[in-house]
Amino acid sequence: QKEVEQNSGPLSVPEGAIASLNCTYSDRVSQSFFWYRQYSGKSPELIMSIYSNGDKEDGRFTAQLNKASQYVSLLIRDSQPSDSATYLCAVKTGGFKTIFGAGTRLFVKA
Amino acid sequence: DVKVTQSSRYLVKRTGEKVFLECVQDMDHENMFWYRQDPGLGLRLIYFSYDVKMKEKGDIPEGYSVSREKKERFSLILESASTNQTSMYLCASSSNLGVQGYEQYFGPGTRLTVT
Repeated sequence: QKEVEQNSGPLSVPEGAIASLNCTYSDRVSQSFFWYRQYSGKSPELIMSIYSNGDKEDGRFTAQLNKASQYVSLLIRDSQPSDSATYLCAVKTGGFKTIFGAGTRLFVKA
Repeated sequence: DVKVTQSSRYLVKRTGEKVFLECVQDMDHENMFWYRQDPGLGLRLIYFSYDVKMKEKGDIPEGYSVSREKKERFSLILESASTNQTSMYLCASSSNLGVQGYEQYFGPGTRLTVT
């Protein structure tokens, strides 16, 4: 069974701090990795994609990928209360399917 | 921007009714997906389609069927609704092409209650 594991949280950080969200996956041949943000009662929204080892930055968000360790992370710099949401890690396996983690709840305290 | 729409935001049906959930995407995506999301269980794939008239079972297809007659439209059918099908249903689409291939874009969801 291919799996994507995330700490369910909640992760609580003060406003302005860096939030670090982590994800591990089991399928070594995975090539595409995604982070989604989901506000309560809303659908998931894609915020970052990463396909190669290293860091990818987009505004306050940085995705990090280490395929050797089968590890993906998302850093949110200068966290804001509006960043409070559940963050889903997703990994595309072979074929057309994408496996989603259960999500990490993030609370940013003002 | 990719837009994925779903026919209803909220739906209440009775046990045994046949239920149709429709999803339409406007980005000419090849792939479309139906998920359900329940507290503590995350997103679970019901069915997906990689082309018109093509469909593949996901992880929890029992009690559901799908139809994809046109590229932009993917329907989920609950043949005889049961209370354990009360859930949030999410449709998504993705393309196969380029560096942004396989990024899934979600519709707003349909919260279905079966009484």
